[in-house]
Amino acid sequence: DAKTTQPNSMESNEEEPVHLPCNHSTISGTDYIHWYRQLPSQGPEYVIHGLTSNVNNRMASLAIAEDRKSSTLILHRATLRDAAVYYCILRTDSGGSNYKLTFGKGTLLTVNP
Amino acid sequence: DTEVTQTPKHLVMGMTNKKSLKCEQHMGHRAMYWYKQKAKKPPELMFVYSYEKLSINESVPSRFSPECPNSSLLNLHLHALQPEDSALYLCASSHGDLNYGYTFGSGTRLTVV
Repeated sequence: DAKTTQPNSMESNEEEPVHLPCNHSTISGTDYIHWYRQLPSQGPEYVIHGLTSNVNNRMASLAIAEDRKSSTLILHRATLRDAAVYYCILRTDSGGSNYKLTFGKGTLLTVNP
Repeated sequence: DTEVTQTPKHLVMGMTNKKSLKCEQHMGHRAMYWYKQKAKKPPELMFVYSYEKLSINESVPSRFSPECPNSSLLNLHLHALQPEDSALYLCASSHGDLNYGYTFGSGTRLTVV
């Protein structure tokens, strides 16, 4: 899978928006951008994914740059329950690797009350 | 049912023991995965099953033996493990298509003594 770069950690305040950046300058045309998060002592949880257009769901929004070399996960109103490690992952259509989801280091989000 | 269920949640085993981890999903997902996660590290892919056949083995030592008896069930058989194999073992499933997310279980916390 193509490489992504995320900040190691970020802080936000409760009830404020959070913008989590991800750089993926080597993304190819068929790569999907996936975001997962992992709360303490739990398995990773799917958040959102997209290809070219911005996406919204009940958990978050995904803003994808026009050149697709970066994306931003937006949590509109952070709560204490959003404190987690957030992973930005590119899923590549490469035949046998189609089924691989490879995690990078992720961003540790701290939410202050 | 939108969950991946893993049992047991915790397991302590000696280095000469044989034990098994179990994973179950009833979402009709055609791909299932085993990941290993050490403390404060991202999950690392171990095995991928597609349509009940092993499609990816990430050079995992033979003391870990996966098995997929049917489309809903995934096992990981453990034998002669080392203390450094202590970790959180995560199971996941997906449709396999790039345009879908993965669903993870909460994991089995394994301690080898």
